[in-house]
Amino acid sequence: AQKVTQAQTEISVVEKEDVTLDCVYETRDTTYYLFWYKQPPSGELVFLIRRNSFDEQNEISGRYSWNFQKSTSSFNFTITASQVVDSAVYFCALSEAGWYNTDKLIFGTGTRLQVFP
Amino acid sequence: DVKVTQSSRYLVKRTGEKVFLECVQDMDHENMFWYRQDPGLGLRLIYFSYDVKMKEKGDIPEGYSVSREKKERFSLILESASTNQTSMYLCASSPEAFGYDEQFFGPGTRLTVL
Repeated sequence: AQKVTQAQTEISVVEKEDVTLDCVYETRDTTYYLFWYKQPPSGELVFLIRRNSFDEQNEISGRYSWNFQKSTSSFNFTITASQVVDSAVYFCALSEAGWYNTDKLIFGTGTRLQVFP
Repeated sequence: DVKVTQSSRYLVKRTGEKVFLECVQDMDHENMFWYRQDPGLGLRLIYFSYDVKMKEKGDIPEGYSVSREKKERFSLILESASTNQTSMYLCASSPEAFGYDEQFFGPGTRLTVL
């Protein structure tokens, strides 16, 4: 069965520290997609990144980077030089490709990141 | 920009009331979704719809129903609200695709049932 585990419930850091949010997933499919979403205090989830199961290249976008490792079923998210504006709840999610699934996302329980000045 | 709007940010209802949560998207998306978000449980899918008048149960459909009469609007209905339905409700939409597309979320409705 599909499952996404975010073992870190809450992380607190001081501004400019680097922080890594862990995500471990389970799936039977060989074709799947992994996502990260950010939920700031306003409540609206914001899409950050999508990765398909055939692309294990790491991705960097500004201060954000993602490390996808199929061997460990992990898709970890690192924020470099964190800022107060990074404070939010971050969700990792999994979608299995196929006509029968129609974009259903399986979410992890989220990691609340607090960045203090 | 895709916009998903929800009819209320905060709602307070009494046990036994019928509650309607409305969601509208403006990008002609095929798929629409209703989730509830609870502390420690993440987002759980209640219902989704991949076409007008079509609906599929998600992981926790009990106590809820949905309606999609028009492509842009997806309503979540609590036939008889109960206190255990106090939660944050999030609506989302996505273009027609199979597992690939990101979902676009509304701001959420925080429902309190007294």
